[in-house]
Amino acid sequence: AQKVTQAQTEISVVEKEDVTLDCVYETRDTTYYLFWYKQPPSGELVFLIRRNSFDEQNEISGRYSWNFQKSTSSFNFTITASQVVDSAVYFCAPKFGNEKLTFGTGTRLTIIP
Amino acid sequence: DTEVTQTPKHLVMGMTNKKSLKCEQHMGHRAMYWYKQKAKKPPELMFVYSYEKLSINESVPSRFSPECPNSSLLNLHLHALQPEDSALYLCASSQRIAGGETQYFGPGTRLLVL
Repeated sequence: AQKVTQAQTEISVVEKEDVTLDCVYETRDTTYYLFWYKQPPSGELVFLIRRNSFDEQNEISGRYSWNFQKSTSSFNFTITASQVVDSAVYFCAPKFGNEKLTFGTGTRLTIIP
Repeated sequence: DTEVTQTPKHLVMGMTNKKSLKCEQHMGHRAMYWYKQKAKKPPELMFVYSYEKLSINESVPSRFSPECPNSSLLNLHLHALQPEDSALYLCASSQRIAGGETQYFGPGTRLLVL
C-alpha cells in the first residue's frame, strides 16, 4: 500500500527554537515526488518544496531545510530559529506514479512568543 | 506568478439553495482540481479537469457539479447540499496531471450549509 505518515499531530515550541516535522512514506514505486505544503489559519495551502525520488540532495531555503532519506523513506522538514509566523498546519504530500497527491494528516505547529 | 483566485471567500447557503464557487488561474496550467477539506483533516480530492475535460471524479455526490468553461476557469455548482457538506473548498492548478507537477492552491471558499 502507498501511504504517508505524519506521526506528530501537534508541536509547540518557543520562538527561536529549531523544530523538525517528520514525514515517512511507503511505496514500491521507484519514481515518485514529495511535496510539503503550509496551511496558515487563513486556509490557503502554500507550496513549500518539491523533490523527486532520484534527487536525494538536501535543500535549504532560508530558515527552512529538508532532509530526504530514501533508505528510510523519510522526508523531514526543519525550521531553524522559528518565528510566530511559522505557526500553521504543515502537510507532507507524496505523489506516487501518476496517482493523486496523498496528503498526510498534517502537523499543527504552534510557535509560542 | 503562481496565483489561483477563488470567489467567494465565504458562503452561507440553505439546503434548498443553488450556488456556485469560482476558481481562476492565469498560469497557463491545463489541469485544475477541486478539493474539500473538513476541519482538522487533510484536503480530499473531489474532481480533476485535464485540458478542460473531466478526468477524475472521486465518487462525489451529484449535488456537486463541476464545470470547466475554459482553460483558466473552474466552477463548482452546488445544489441541495447537506449540513455535512460544510467545509473549506480549495481549488488548485498544475501544468498537467501526470508526473510531479506542482499543484498551486487558491485561498479557498469557506462554505456553511444551514
